[in-house]
Amino acid sequence: GAGVSQSPSNKVTEKGKDVELRCDPISGHTALYWYRQRLGQGLEFLIYFQGNSAPDKSGLPSDRFSAERTGESVSTLTIQRTQQEDSAVYLCASSLQGYSPLHFGNGTRLTVT
Amino acid sequence: KQEVTQIPAALSVPEGENLVLNCSFTDSAIYNLQWFRQDPGKGLTSLLLIQSSQREQTSGRLNASLDKSSGRSTLYIAASQPGDSATYLCAVRDNTGKLIFGQGTTLQVKP
Repeated sequence: GAGVSQSPSNKVTEKGKDVELRCDPISGHTALYWYRQRLGQGLEFLIYFQGNSAPDKSGLPSDRFSAERTGESVSTLTIQRTQQEDSAVYLCASSLQGYSPLHFGNGTRLTVT
Repeated sequence: KQEVTQIPAALSVPEGENLVLNCSFTDSAIYNLQWFRQDPGKGLTSLLLIQSSQREQTSGRLNASLDKSSGRSTLYIAASQPGDSATYLCAVRDNTGKLIFGQGTTLQVKP
């Protein structure tokens, strides 16, 4: 595709429910990143996939958060038992290789009520 | 642990002014540094990327410099326009490929 695509663009869920957020990177991009941006805050690193290497999960805030990536294609970020503090915009980015410029999607705005 | 700081947090200037946004980082062992622009409710748009071996990059009215040894980068915007109003984010790439962001500078250019 022309750019990084994220879905859904908006998600409202009840506290305690599980949610799945999807990211389709630019075709051919080997690296994929997830970031979280709370209202009025900067970007918080969550997880980084590079090719077939083990992902860097050092930014995941708790074991309720997990992410998978199928080869060099789509990635899903799963948040289990959502809490109100999980409310944020979740941004996905991809790059051609690990050190190439990042291209971001428009994000998924998650609201936990 | 790499920390990235941007100063000022917010800036308001009249149209036509030249301005400088600052970014500093604590660990000079970076692979590259990238400047982004974020408009309200939108994702990030890449502006400039400077490799660690480079001193500056230019694109139109934008010029970014990098002084790796002192842990600093600046983004210079010439002849600012109201359309430049946005949040500008600086991010450094460490040697694992991870990108660490600053908190951003929110710029308002008044007509």
